[in-house]
Amino acid sequence: LAKTTQPISMDSYEGQEVNITCSHNNIATNDYITWYQQFPSQGPRFIIQGYKTKVTNEVASLFIPADRKSSTLSLPRVSLSDTAVYYCLVGERQAGTALIFGKGTTLSVSS
Amino acid sequence: EPEVTQTPSHQVTQMGQEVILRCVPISNHLYFYWYRQILGQKVEFLVSFYNNEISEKSEIFDDQFSVERPDGSNFTLKIRSTKLEDSAMYFCASREQGTGQPQHFGDGTRLSIL
Repeated sequence: LAKTTQPISMDSYEGQEVNITCSHNNIATNDYITWYQQFPSQGPRFIIQGYKTKVTNEVASLFIPADRKSSTLSLPRVSLSDTAVYYCLVGERQAGTALIFGKGTTLSVSS
Repeated sequence: EPEVTQTPSHQVTQMGQEVILRCVPISNHLYFYWYRQILGQKVEFLVSFYNNEISEKSEIFDDQFSVERPDGSNFTLKIRSTKLEDSAMYFCASREQGTGQPQHFGDGTRLSIL
């Protein structure tokens, strides 16, 4: 599984756009990029997943450059409730594959 | 939106006792997982399960652990003789069949071993 590197922590204010970048230099051809969010005492919550270019859903966008060696999770206009740990995971999304979590990025949003 | 549900939310058990953690995966999902997270540490994979068999397991998932799908809706994790170091949040996850489908997690059971 490709190793990922993301910032340990980030700070932002309400209403700002937050971009969290994840490096995955050893990503393999079959690997997907998946982001999860985790609040204290809750399970990881799936945010978004992509393979290449740009993916957008109702909560976030995921930007993946052509070489796929990095990806950026973009959260538009964050609120206090977006304070959480965000995990970038890279791996072949075959059924049964274990997810390998790193330490993630702790995002703190202030008013 | 369908969700994975886990019971109980908190389990307190004496060391050496057996404990069973229960999960109801999302109804049309065919792949099931258990993870754990010790306080302040990373989420760690324990085991994956498909078609009534273990697909993959980690080094953590030793002989003290077992999983079962006793009926069409429940998925359980049993720890036979609990140790203090088994204290953690235990998360169940499930996913649909097909490449690229994400895993969906429950909110976990907090297991406290005394």
